[in-house]
Amino acid sequence: GAVVSQHPSWVICKSGTSVKIECRSLDFQATTMFWYRQFPKQSLMLMATSNEGSKATYEQGVEKDKFLINHASLTLSTLTVTSAHPEDSSFYICSAPLTGRETQYFGPGTRLLVL
Amino acid sequence: GQQVMQIPQYQHVQEGEDFTTYCNSSTTLSNIQWYKQRPGGHPVFLIQLVKSGEVKKQKRLTFQFGEAKKNSSLHITATQTTDVGTYFCRGNTGKLIFGQGTTLQVKP
Repeated sequence: GAVVSQHPSWVICKSGTSVKIECRSLDFQATTMFWYRQFPKQSLMLMATSNEGSKATYEQGVEKDKFLINHASLTLSTLTVTSAHPEDSSFYICSAPLTGRETQYFGPGTRLLVL
Repeated sequence: GQQVMQIPQYQHVQEGEDFTTYCNSSTTLSNIQWYKQRPGGHPVFLIQLVKSGEVKKQKRLTFQFGEAKKNSSLHITATQTTDVGTYFCRGNTGKLIFGQGTTLQVKP
């Protein structure tokens, strides 16, 4: 089946630093990718939709200047958490749909801990 | 706002017992998807339901989509320890909304 990778799988950083998370579709092209955040024992919350070649679409309440998304190619989307704070600590997951298929393939997720 | 409510939040069953989780939407859904997330893992797509009253089966799992396309259920027959995890529904109202998830624990 289709594979989506994420890097890094976990990161610990100091408050105020920026963290970049990569999401790659390994064996298919994805014009659209989705970024989610999941707090412990909670559901996934859609943060934004990443669109190749155009601006990302952010969900209500998600600061676009804090969570920068770049969909540079048909296989890569990046999420940069700028000036991270402890409350940004969470599990960040991307997903990509296979064109013409109903299935969403999720990456393995990135655990971010901001000290 | 638009919501997808999922119940129960937690369920502990003895191995061999059945299990059901329910999702209810405040608005009509164009489709609903179900995912399973193992502890520490990421969601894995299980199935998508599109048609009113649709029923799909995957081995011991039975998925139903309500006639009004506002509710859905996932039923597991004769649970096994490998069924442990959190089951999420995701409704499409034009926006993609995940339910809160039902965490299943199975006692051997």
